[in-house]
Amino acid sequence: SQKIEQNSEALNIQEGKTATLTCNYTNYSPAYLQWYRQDPGRGPVFLLLIRENEKEKRKERLKVTFDTTLKQSLFHITASQPADSATYLCARILTGGGNKLTFGTGTQLKVEL
Amino acid sequence: NAGVTQTPKFRVLKTGQSMTLLCAQDMNHEYMYWYRQDPGMGLRLIHYSVGEGTTAKGEVPDGYNVSRLKKQNFLLGLESAAPSQTSVYFCASSYSPGGSTDTQYFGPGTRLTVL
Repeated sequence: SQKIEQNSEALNIQEGKTATLTCNYTNYSPAYLQWYRQDPGRGPVFLLLIRENEKEKRKERLKVTFDTTLKQSLFHITASQPADSATYLCARILTGGGNKLTFGTGTQLKVEL
Repeated sequence: NAGVTQTPKFRVLKTGQSMTLLCAQDMNHEYMYWYRQDPGMGLRLIHYSVGEGTTAKGEVPDGYNVSRLKKQNFLLGLESAAPSQTSVYFCASSYSPGGSTDTQYFGPGTRLTVL
């Protein structure tokens, strides 16, 4: 099966530190992985996409890596701020067309002052 | 440009009642999706559509039906609601021909409680 696994335990870090969230996948490497942010009571919002042939992708304070050997993606937020507190979801594309995604259960991040 | 909108935002049903959730997008996206999100389960795909007039089953389709009569709308129906269908429902859309990515754009969700 094409699964995505994320650490279900919440991550608490201090403001200014780097937050690192982990996403592991099973079986073959997907063509790309996506990361979304979800705030309480809202729908997920797309943040970054990283393709299989890309080692790293950056967007402002966000960085995503893709390690096909470890079958893992890491999501980093540098200089974290309380406003970064949210649940972060990892998703992989499924085979069979339709651009279907399967999502991990998400990791809740809390950035404390 | 409203993006993806969902109607209603909240609803309480009694077991056995029926209802329809409406999703609308104004981005001319070809693909649309319905998910449910439950604590500890993450987002699970119910049904999806790759274009007007098409629908297909996702991971958890039982108890739901869908229709895509117009490109911009995707309806999710519950014919006979059950307490197990208590959840938050999200609609999403993706894929514009010529677009560079296949990311999904989500609506704000509908919180459904079945008593």
